[in-house]
Amino acid sequence: AQKVTQAQTEISVVEKEDVTLDCVYETRDTTYYLFWYKQPPSGELVFLIRRNSFDEQNEISGRYSWNFQKSTSSFNFTITASQVVDSAVYFCALSEANDYKLSFGAGTTVTVRA
Amino acid sequence: SAVISQKPSRDICQRGTSLTIQCQVDSQVTMMFWYRQQPGQSLTLIATANQGSEATYESGFVIDKFPISRPNLTFSTLTVSNMSPEDSSIYLCSVEDIPSGPYQETQYFGPGTRLLVL
Repeated sequence: AQKVTQAQTEISVVEKEDVTLDCVYETRDTTYYLFWYKQPPSGELVFLIRRNSFDEQNEISGRYSWNFQKSTSSFNFTITASQVVDSAVYFCALSEANDYKLSFGAGTTVTVRA
Repeated sequence: SAVISQKPSRDICQRGTSLTIQCQVDSQVTMMFWYRQQPGQSLTLIATANQGSEATYESGFVIDKFPISRPNLTFSTLTVSNMSPEDSSIYLCSVEDIPSGPYQETQYFGPGTRLLVL
């Protein structure tokens, strides 16, 4: 069975600090897909990124960057120069090939203080 | 990506009653899903809503408690039946979209329905 672990329950930082969110996954499939979603206080779930298992390239999008390491089964997310608007719950998720179901981690609550 | 709306956005209900949540998508999609997020928890898949056939329920969820309709490729409803305070949650629908070609299937979520059962 697939599993996603987000060991950090809560992270609190001061504005402009960098913050890294950890995500470790377990799967028996050789082909799988990893996702990050953001859930601000308003409650909607916002898609941030998808990474396929056969594409280990890291990615940067503005202040966001993702580090995918198959050797350690990790897909970590870094927010650079955090802002108050980054305050949210962030979820890592996994789906396996030929199975549309998403397995979510427990989520990490990020609080950015001004 | 697909634009998804849900109605109602929030509701307060009395125990023993039922609430139907609507999910509308601005484009035709094959896969629609319903999730529950209990307070302070992660998301749990309730069921997959299949157009033209019965919904597929996950372990722990049954059709009598969470009947689902999927009359067409842009619309689905989830009913929370005979509610109790334990049903207080955010209910989210999602759709699978392919924003930019193969191997890019991604679930996009509606804004959610916040339900409080007294």
